[in-house]
Amino acid sequence: DSGVTQTPKHLITATGQRVTLRCSPRSGDLSVYWYQQSLDQGLQFLIQYYNGEERAKGNILERFSAQQFPDLHSELNLSSLELGDSALYFCASSPREFSGNTIYFGEGSWLTVV
Amino acid sequence: GNSVTQMEGPVTLSEEAFLTINCTYTATGYPSLFWYVQYPGEGLQLLLKATKADDKGSNKGFEATYRKETTSFHLEKGSVQVSDSAVYFCALSDRGTERTARQLTFGSGTQLTVLP
Repeated sequence: DSGVTQTPKHLITATGQRVTLRCSPRSGDLSVYWYQQSLDQGLQFLIQYYNGEERAKGNILERFSAQQFPDLHSELNLSSLELGDSALYFCASSPREFSGNTIYFGEGSWLTVV
Repeated sequence: GNSVTQMEGPVTLSEEAFLTINCTYTATGYPSLFWYVQYPGEGLQLLLKATKADDKGSNKGFEATYRKETTSFHLEKGSVQVSDSAVYFCALSDRGTERTARQLTFGSGTQLTVLP
């Protein structure tokens, strides 16, 4: 158990809909990362937050957004969903922003768009 | 930019065989290197890591040595088991700076199947 908690574990929704994925980082971790794992594109970095502020953006679509709240949990919002958005979405956390410490992953949220 | 090139799979071995999964990287500065494992139907788990040149990471019989001269971090295990069947990802993390955030860059993953 990495200590990173993601909900829901599985989600099935229709095209055009909007979903929210939630992540609770490990206790004490200030940095939260979101990754997307799909069959055709592998593991892709989406976005990072540090202590409530956005720090880096990767290959995140404009239809997607995220935020980190004062209690450090984070949410990834996916809207106008398309079939190609079906993927495993990982949240990860690390203690500080500028260190060699390990990034720990949650078990992921499986999203299926039908 | 940073990149990780990983040995393509799938790799199929018999139980007790020797395993090597090659990983090379391109990065500026001195990244940390990681191997993550994803068992069927599960999330990513950290397998081992090395944070500086010549460090050896080890866990569960797996080992990898950070080779700066060859920019490599090959994963090895002397005797694989059926339970080692999974997808293995090599990854690197730069240290970040005051202006750039720290990110993990992953290889494409290598599917390992171990047959009894």
